[in-house]
Amino acid sequence: SQTIHQWPATLVQPVGSPLSLECTVEGTSNPNLYWYRQAAGRGLQLLFYSVGIGQISSEVPQNLSASRPQDRQFILSSKKLLLSDSGFYLCAYRVGLVNEQFFGPGTRLTVL
Amino acid sequence: QQQVKQSPQSLIVQKGGISIINCAYENTAFDYFPWYQQFPGKGPALLIAIRPDVSEKKEGRFTISFNKSAKQFSLHIMDSQPGDSATYFCAASGAGANNLFFGTGTRLTVIP
Repeated sequence: SQTIHQWPATLVQPVGSPLSLECTVEGTSNPNLYWYRQAAGRGLQLLFYSVGIGQISSEVPQNLSASRPQDRQFILSSKKLLLSDSGFYLCAYRVGLVNEQFFGPGTRLTVL
Repeated sequence: QQQVKQSPQSLIVQKGGISIINCAYENTAFDYFPWYQQFPGKGPALLIAIRPDVSEKKEGRFTISFNKSAKQFSLHIMDSQPGDSATYFCAASGAGANNLFFGTGTRLTVIP
C-alpha cells in the first residue's frame, strides 16, 4: 500500500530565515506530487506540482520554490520567510490517470 | 475567480439527521468531482468521488448527487454522527489536468 510522509509536523521560524519541508511517498513509483498551502479556515491553494524528477510547475508566484531530487521525494523551500508564509502545508500524490490525490499529514508553519 | 463555489460555510446538524453540502462549478470541462474530509490538524482524506456519467454515487452513509445540466453536485451524509464533525471540501478537475480546484470548505458540527 502507498503511504505519504511529511516532516517536520510543526515548525516555528523567524522572519527572514530559510525553510525546507520534505515529503516522501512509499509504495509507488513515478507519482505526480503536489504542494498545497492552507491558510487558517480557508481552502487549499496549489503551490507547485511535479510529474517527474526535476520537473516542477509553479502555480503561484511567491518566494517559495520546490524541488524533486528523487522520484518519491518532494521538497518545498524558501531562502527568506515572510510573515505571510505562515500556514498549513500539505503534500499530495497521484498515481493514476484520474486526478485522485491523496494528502499527507501536513506541516504547520508559523513565521514570527 | 473561484472555480468551485461551496455552501454553506458552516452547518450544525442533530445526531441522526441528514447533512447536505452543495457545490457549483462553471467549467464544463470538469469531469472528476471528489469530496474530502478534514479533521483539525490533519490532512484532507478522500471521502468519495464521482464522474459526470452517473447522477449519484453512494458509499455507506455518504452519497454524492450530481446534476450535470445545473453544474452542481452535493454531498449527503445520512444518519449524521458526532464523529462526522469535520470540515468538508468539494473539488473539481478536468480530464488530464493536474489542478484540483477546491471549494472553500464547510465546517460540519453534529451535536449529540
